[in-house]
Amino acid sequence: KAGVTQTPRYLIKTRGQQVTLSCSPISGHRSVSWYQQTPGQGLQFLFEYFSETQRNKGNFPGRFSGRQFSNSRSEMNVSTLELGDSALYLCASSGGLAPSYNEQFFGPGTRLTVL
Amino acid sequence: AQSVTQLGSHVSVSEGALVLLRCNYSSSVPPYLFWYVQYPNQGLQLLLKYTSAATLVKGINGFEAEFKKSETSFHLTKPSAHMSDAAEYFCAVRRNSGGSNYKLTFGKGTLLTVNP
Repeated sequence: KAGVTQTPRYLIKTRGQQVTLSCSPISGHRSVSWYQQTPGQGLQFLFEYFSETQRNKGNFPGRFSGRQFSNSRSEMNVSTLELGDSALYLCASSGGLAPSYNEQFFGPGTRLTVL
Repeated sequence: AQSVTQLGSHVSVSEGALVLLRCNYSSSVPPYLFWYVQYPNQGLQLLLKYTSAATLVKGINGFEAEFKKSETSFHLTKPSAHMSDAAEYFCAVRRNSGGSNYKLTFGKGTLLTVNP
């Protein structure tokens, strides 16, 4: 089975712009979660989507949003970028069969740099 | 709410020495616990998980961890370090609520250096 894929792998944007990141989960997985990783704050949960519905949300401003499509692919959008949004954004998929149904499988991440 | 504390942001060992990475958790309900490894410029790879079955869990690459409820700990060990083990390690906790909540809460990470 193919793993979790994220596109693009690297992005450079300027302050005030918006950005959309994409994540394709493992085939058959219906849950997609997004995390932000920075040197200062570590790994922080952004949100989780399950069957096209946001099921959980972390403590991030409304500039961060996401959605999930019927094929379980997910996108994450950040509007009005700030310097502090520079981070590695990781996507994880879950929901496979036992015994791995409670595991999250991570993609390689998208490295976003905001100038 | 859950939280994870990893003691030691940086651990340095010699090749062949014991690796011990510490993780303590806080959870109001029985948790699931995980250890992940991250190599430079890569995502997270699952090393092992505790899901309320055996308290001693064996993972990939010779790592294992023991769930100790009385100490709220889930320390990661490996008897003999290899150079290839140099990476950052993250302990994570998740509510034990079946398939309805996949949110992971991570510790700050421990960078493992292996010296020749």
